[in-house]
Amino acid sequence: EVQLVESGGGLVQPGGSLRLSCAASGFTFSSYWMSWVRQAPGKGLEWVANIKQDGSEKYYVDSVKGRFTISRDNAKNSLYLQMNSLRAEDTAVYYCARPGRPGAVAGYFDYWGQGTLVTVSS
Amino acid sequence: QSALTQPRSVSGSPGQSVTISCTGTSSDVGGYNYVSWYQQHPGKAPKLMIYDVSKRPSGVPDRFSGSKSGNTASLTISGLQAEDEADYYCCSYAGSYTLFGGGTKLTVL
Repeated sequence: EVQLVESGGGLVQPGGSLRLSCAASGFTFSSYWMSWVRQAPGKGLEWVANIKQDGSEKYYVDSVKGRFTISRDNAKNSLYLQMNSLRAEDTAVYYCARPGRPGAVAGYFDYWGQGTLVTVSS
Repeated sequence: QSALTQPRSVSGSPGQSVTISCTGTSSDVGGYNYVSWYQQHPGKAPKLMIYDVSKRPSGVPDRFSGSKSGNTASLTISGLQAEDEADYYCCSYAGSYTLFGGGTKLTVL
């Protein structure tokens, strides 16, 4: 059974940092691009970043470029999101999501974690 | 990286059909056959309902169907049921990034 379990969320002050983790199981993690998607309270979904299987390609939504870094450890079947210079508008539930096709960046997300809440507030 | 455009809300009575539109540009919806749709109930993670414009994952009822014309994709739900009441999001690949729509709240009257 495919499982994605996020952790690392919490309350952080503006300008602070936080590192999210996503533990993957039930599939060959190293065969898939992986993504982070967030959802601000009462708002819609927003794709944040994705990373290629070997970590050689990474893409970000403009609003987080230069502040967030996506990474992965295939030996640990884990995905990460290092978030620096956090702003109030980064407050959201952050989901780890797996695309439906191994090896493909494009398409759709067939598995999602339960999400972890990040609150940026003083 | 502008969000895809969806109506904020739609409604229908049980048994009726509703269609939710999703408008993008030739750089996203119109440029790729990689449109997907997600259903989200309050407090839950999104659930994939349609992928590659019109394909249904196993387990999704055939009451759900997808289509695309030009820069606009559509999700049609026929034979509405109470449990279909939820938020629905479209999503499109756009080259080096992925776009979601703003979401549509479906109310089953």
